[in-house]
Amino acid sequence: QSVLTQPPSASGTPGQRVTISCSGSSSNIGSNYVYWFQQLPGTAPKLLIYRNNQRPSGVPDRFSGSKSGTSVSLAISGLRSEDEADYYCAAWDGSLSGVAFGGGTKLTVL
Amino acid sequence: EVQLVESGGGLVQPGGSLRLSCAASGFTFNSYSMNWVRQAPGKGLEWVSYISISSNTIYYADSVKGRFTISRDNAKNSLYLQMNSLRAEDTAVYYCATDWTVETTGWGQGTLVTVSS
Repeated sequence: QSVLTQPPSASGTPGQRVTISCSGSSSNIGSNYVYWFQQLPGTAPKLLIYRNNQRPSGVPDRFSGSKSGTSVSLAISGLRSEDEADYYCAAWDGSLSGVAFGGGTKLTVL
Repeated sequence: EVQLVESGGGLVQPGGSLRLSCAASGFTFNSYSMNWVRQAPGKGLEWVSYISISSNTIYYADSVKGRFTISRDNAKNSLYLQMNSLRAEDTAVYYCATDWTVETTGWGQGTLVTVSS
């Protein structure tokens, strides 16, 4: 059971907007930055969003992050087939003195 | 460009030891804290350990505390993970990753550790 809760799956059609949620608690999301990682099939994870809503250079502005209280969301607009991947949220957890990852959401582009 | 190359994985019996290495290049290694993250076959990501730039701050996941030791050698641009008393549940691909709190970050390709008799 992951400390951060994500839906196991999400789906959308090309061009659509999809959101992936991640919920936690006051010891993690509620008091620390959240990070999102994208893991394409058979590859290492890649940082997608840092510090709640910042995009590293090279990440398309179709990807955006938002935070409200103890929950965050990753939004992907203009969905493309190459967005099909596993997405993970992560945050420092002060109660654990460690990093908590969500269980991951598998995004399918129909 | 951040480049990280892990090595040292392999097959080990339960109770055995392995030492993973991560060779860094393409960035100023001694300016970044580092992490180890693992992924069991078909499962999600699990953070394992963190080490600060000067090694004066170290954290471990409860699942590995007391058995794993993270270290770094800034002169050699290298990160290490000494894994002792290995268990079947430690079987995973182990990734080294730079501090992801900043924009410039990266992950290695991973090294597979299999704990089995």
